Amino acid sequence: EAGVTQFPSHSVIEKGQTVTLRCDPISGHDNLYWYRRVMGKEIKFLLHFVKESKQDESGMPNNRFLAERTGGTYSTLKVQPAELEDSGVYFCASSPRQIAEAFFGQGTRLTVV
Amino acid sequence: AQTVTQSQPEMSVQEAETVTLSCTYDTSESDYYLFWYKQPPSRQMILVIRQEAYKQQNATENRFSVNFQKAAKSFSLKISDSQLGDAAMYFCAYRRPAGGTSYGKLTFGQGTILTVHP
Repeated sequence: EAGVTQFPSHSVIEKGQTVTLRCDPISGHDNLYWYRRVMGKEIKFLLHFVKESKQDESGMPNNRFLAERTGGTYSTLKVQPAELEDSGVYFCASSPRQIAEAFFGQGTRLTVV
Repeated sequence: AQTVTQSQPEMSVQEAETVTLSCTYDTSESDYYLFWYKQPPSRQMILVIRQEAYKQQNATENRFSVNFQKAAKSFSLKISDSQLGDAAMYFCAYRRPAGGTSYGKLTFGQGTILTVHP
């Protein structure tokens, strides 16, 4: 069974550009989470989908970040326009139920220059 | 709000020896879940061990065990007989009890880089 897959693994973009990160959860997992780790700091929660609905987006830093999960399958996280402080590693995780173990992707390392 | 603190940015251990990684947390809840995750370089983060706060017995998974001190809000990870493959970033995480909105989200510590020397 395929695990959680994230694309791309690395992205380097210039300040002001747009970047879209993608997460493919494990098939059948209704719950999908996005997290971010800024260099040297803790991993922070961004938002949580249940199927295609945003259950909790309290961790989204500002309106430059837009997450979607059309059809309740894969999810995208778009940053537009990117700023230097957006650099970090973006993790995606999925689980069949909230109480169950969450499985993580390998992360996308975003560098904004 | 819950917080998780890992005070050791880096730790090292000799192969076959034992190492303990520290984690403290703050919460007003009486029931919750604690986790240790391992992230090898450029690889996915995987769950190492979990502890339910209502269980007094410390969780154990093969060479990995925890020392859960609920009153002290401490949750350390002990790795026995360390192996080269244990080298990774280790994250301590907290999850609040079931119920309400989005209780499945995790609160993480800053991480501890573990180096294993042959």
